[in-house]
Amino acid sequence: GIQVEQSPPDLILQEGANSTLRCNFSDSVNNLQWFHQNPWGQLINLFYIPSGTKQNGRLSATTVATERYSLLYISSSQTTDSGVYFCAVGPTDKLIFGTGTRLQVFP
Amino acid sequence: GAVVSQHPSRVICKSGTSVKIECRSLDFQATTMFWYRQFPKQSLMLMATSNEGSKATYEQGVEKDKFLINHASLTLSTLTVTSAHPEDSSFYICSASYDRNSDTQYFGPGTRLTVL
Repeated sequence: GIQVEQSPPDLILQEGANSTLRCNFSDSVNNLQWFHQNPWGQLINLFYIPSGTKQNGRLSATTVATERYSLLYISSSQTTDSGVYFCAVGPTDKLIFGTGTRLQVFP
Repeated sequence: GAVVSQHPSRVICKSGTSVKIECRSLDFQATTMFWYRQFPKQSLMLMATSNEGSKATYEQGVEKDKFLINHASLTLSTLTVTSAHPEDSSFYICSASYDRNSDTQYFGPGTRLTVL
């Protein structure tokens, strides 16, 4: 099956800093999504991005499908950005979740 | 839009009992719903995919007789953990998608199950 690895596994930032999270996957996919899981466990959709670049406020994402990786950029981080970031991929609507990046943002 | 609810949010039960978890799409019709489990500090693992009106498709290694899934309507899917044991304690999360052509999934808030 498809393997999905995320890096770094843990990230500690001070408020205002920028960061880049990476997602590598082992096979071609038609579906790639980024999620933020808040401290209460709720998963929030960030991007549906099987290819190309998208931006939403302080967040942006880029997927290079031919090289099997995706990047999530967080600029001017805030304490509310804390939580776990997952990328999830799949050939279809079934998603395989990555290992996650745990982000802690301190004031 | 695209709100998914789960009930209950947390449940504690004795070993050997059965627990039912409900997943509802509140403002859209979900032809497909997915059930995941997540152990502490780990990723989400897909358990099964359910389509309205048909039997669920279980992932390899998931016991279909232990985790009963019913998708009786376009807005409701249920997961019943039968004869629960402490190793079934986990965070169970459902998600739903609009239609078969939509790859975007919307997630419920999760149900934390603790089996004593």
